[in-house]
Amino acid sequence: QEYLVESGGGVVQPGTSLRLSCAASGFTFSSYGMHWVRQAPGKGLEWVAIISYDGSNKYYADSVKGRFTISRDNSKNTVSLQMNSLRLADTAVYYCAKGWLEFDYWGQGTLVTVSS
Amino acid sequence: EVVLTQSPDFHSATPKEKVTITCRASQSVSSSLHWYQQKPGQSPKLLIKFASQSNSGVPSRFSGSGSGTDFTLTINSLEAEDAATYYCHQSGSLPRTFGQGTKVEIK
Repeated sequence: QEYLVESGGGVVQPGTSLRLSCAASGFTFSSYGMHWVRQAPGKGLEWVAIISYDGSNKYYADSVKGRFTISRDNSKNTVSLQMNSLRLADTAVYYCAKGWLEFDYWGQGTLVTVSS
Repeated sequence: EVVLTQSPDFHSATPKEKVTITCRASQSVSSSLHWYQQKPGQSPKLLIKFASQSNSGVPSRFSGSGSGTDFTLTINSLEAEDAATYYCHQSGSLPRTFGQGTKVEIK
């Protein structure tokens, strides 16, 4: 059984930083690309970032480029999202998702609220 | 950026009815188009990958078709448990993008 468990969400002020983590189990983590996808309250899905299976390739949505950094630790089966200079518009549930092309498994998400 | 436009935004249907949701891409994504189901309070689940391949464990009433810019998700014989929002997603190019979603309500 595959598991993805996100953590690190919370309430923060604009301009501050937060680091999300996603712990994986039940599959060979080091063989798969991983993504972060977010969903603002009551809205649709927005892709945020992708990292290749070995961490050598990373891509970002324009809305977060230069502010967010995706990374992974294959020895600990975790993928992380460092979020800096947070904005009100970054308020969302953040999901990690497994796969490179299709997202074949998603975690339950962690809520990030940016509020003054 | 590839823009995905789904139609309709909302659909209300009775059990056993056939439901069709379309997804149109602003440029060709070949067959790199996937469909997800999201029920209230849950994370999305992969239904169909690469336009027409059913994901493991997905009921056979769900099917997908299309290629290039026009795609369809069909739910044959709608069931109460199918009440959800459905999203298409393209992986033909970066950035990955999603359609705006189609909410399916059961009458």
